[in-house]
Amino acid sequence: DVVLTQSPLSLPVTLGQPASISCRSSQSLVHSDGNTYLNWFQQRPGQSPRRLIYKVSNRDSGVPDRFSGSGSGTDFTLKISRVEAEDVGVYYCMQGTHWPPSITFGQGTRLEIK
Amino acid sequence: QVQLVQSGAEVKKPGSSVKVSCKTSGGTFSSYAISWVRQAPGQGLEWMGGIIPIFGSPDYAQKFQGRVTITADDSTSTAYMELNSVRSEDTAVYYCARGAGYSHLDYWGQGTLVTVSS
Repeated sequence: DVVLTQSPLSLPVTLGQPASISCRSSQSLVHSDGNTYLNWFQQRPGQSPRRLIYKVSNRDSGVPDRFSGSGSGTDFTLKISRVEAEDVGVYYCMQGTHWPPSITFGQGTRLEIK
Repeated sequence: QVQLVQSGAEVKKPGSSVKVSCKTSGGTFSSYAISWVRQAPGQGLEWMGGIIPIFGSPDYAQKFQGRVTITADDSTSTAYMELNSVRSEDTAVYYCARGAGYSHLDYWGQGTLVTVSS
């Protein structure tokens, strides 16, 4: 199965400062159809996950433009340009390129305010 | 507006079965993929399997093959996940999520806590 490795696992950030989360895949996430099915999710405390970014860099409707996704092949990054209090939570990357056999998530990165 | 509403919390004895429902609204039920994702306490997300009702047959992650059954009822726009022979390690919040395919988890249910305890 494809393994997604996120870093860091814990990310303390000062309000208003930028934040960056890395997601590295054990295999290329470029699908045979040309798309790269790498998504980013946010899970606030006590809430269901919410998709922020799909196919590497496309923001979902209603997602603030301070969130951006980038990357290619096996290396991907989620960036928050200026962290706000509502951004506290756990962030997960997820790949769907290698279905079948598997849909896999990274371990999660916990963002907290310093 | 798309909504996924799941059934309520369950407490089960080891070795028994649990069935969780996910009623959807908004959009054409049969043409979307419904996935089931679980999250053990303090842990990450784990994809269990899913179903695209228009195609009929469900798909399962290898880890859950033989122990989970996913079904869909088009008439009520409801998907179901049944987990058999539950054990303490199955204690988790179980989420349903919908998307254009399994690679797209656009909308999520509120989650159902399943507790396995003797």
